[in-house]
Amino acid sequence: EPEVTQTPSHQVTQMGQEVILRCVPISNHLYFYWYRQILGQKVEFLVSFYNNEISEKSEIFDDQFSVERPDGSNFTLKIRSTKLEDSAMYFCASSESGGRAETQYFGPGTRLLVL
Amino acid sequence: SQELEQSPQSLIVQEGKNLTINCTSSKTLYGLYWYKQKYGEGLIFLMMLQKGGEEKSHEKITAKLDEKKQQSSLHITASQPSHAGIYLCGADMTDSWGKLQFGAGTQVVVTP
Repeated sequence: EPEVTQTPSHQVTQMGQEVILRCVPISNHLYFYWYRQILGQKVEFLVSFYNNEISEKSEIFDDQFSVERPDGSNFTLKIRSTKLEDSAMYFCASSESGGRAETQYFGPGTRLLVL
Repeated sequence: SQELEQSPQSLIVQEGKNLTINCTSSKTLYGLYWYKQKYGEGLIFLMMLQKGGEEKSHEKITAKLDEKKQQSSLHITASQPSHAGIYLCGADMTDSWGKLQFGAGTQVVVTP
């Protein structure tokens, strides 16, 4: 069964460093998403992406964040200068289309720890 | 106020017993999703209910959507140890097209 994959599973970085989190969405899906979950808190939407453009972003997704689809399979989230509060589990998700009530399938997550 | 409230926060159920988790929205629902998460791991899709009062079942798990109450329930019949985990409801709401908002989750513990 097709699934969303993410790498790395864990990442430890120093405050101020750049990190890139990678995702391979399900192959025939057209909409991609990043969510994050700070330990003990809710899963929060960060950004949605379609046709090489950001469709929507939350207020969390500030100028330190960027997303890219560098090739036909990967979808990346870059944090330019990490802060302590960026420590969280980051989930990538994809859906076949972006319509309402369209199921989003989530990857296993990347646990990011900023020291 | 919370837009998507789940209850209870946690529950302990004896193996073989039934359990129910509720998810209530403060806004109109266009899609209500149930996911399961093991602690510190990814979200596994369980079911999606669309506007219109649907009910779906998969194995021992049944989910219902009450459109009028803007509420969904997830019911597990004859719980097994494999049902232990954190159950999250997520919703596609009126002002959140294409992005899901999640409840805080319900932690389920199944005891022998």
